[in-house]
Amino acid sequence: EAQVTQNPRYLITVTGKKLTVTCSQNMNHEYMSWYRQDPGLGLRQIYYSMNVEVTDKGDVPEGYKVSRKEKRNFPLILESPSPNQTSLYFCASRPDRGVTEAFFGQGTRLTVV
Amino acid sequence: AQSVTQLGSHVSVSEGALVLLRCNYSSSVPPYLFWYVQYPNQGLQLLLKYTSAATLVKGINGFEAEFKKSETSFHLTKPSAHMSDAAEYFCAVSDKDKIIFGKGTRLHILP
Repeated sequence: EAQVTQNPRYLITVTGKKLTVTCSQNMNHEYMSWYRQDPGLGLRQIYYSMNVEVTDKGDVPEGYKVSRKEKRNFPLILESPSPNQTSLYFCASRPDRGVTEAFFGQGTRLTVV
Repeated sequence: AQSVTQLGSHVSVSEGALVLLRCNYSSSVPPYLFWYVQYPNQGLQLLLKYTSAATLVKGINGFEAEFKKSETSFHLTKPSAHMSDAAEYFCAVSDKDKIIFGKGTRLHILP
């Protein structure tokens, strides 16, 4: 089954404790991205990657890191999480840019206390 | 830069009534437009997309949307609402390196 898989689905952590949210897709898509969803703000792009070893900042990249060492994986790293990073996070993949739609993971609900 | 605006953060309709969710876009080039639906505790699922092949686009679950260039609109409709349609709906536009989402409209279905 074609899918985007995120782990974990739920995470509660403390301020400053490094964490990684994993994302994997099995559709051989070149393009992957991370979004955060906050009430009243919709989805905002954090980082994106157009291919292996190619990443770039989205609209809200501060406090986040990503890497793309393999085509299928695109982990999101929070080196020192803060409470304002409490949010719902989505990983998405697309075959390429332009006309193609994005396929989304199930989401990761992160709470930083 | 391209953008989308969704009118109404909450919309309530009675079961069996027409559903109309409004979306206006801003684009200097022919846009690629999408509607996504998010059910509680789930990710986003594509309802339909406009890619300039036809102005009236039919999607899943009985939804459709009409692209109107003169009005820069891409409103989502469904003739008869069902309780299972209660969800949050996002209009989106493809802008080179990203898909830009509207702020979402939560659809409530009244029995």
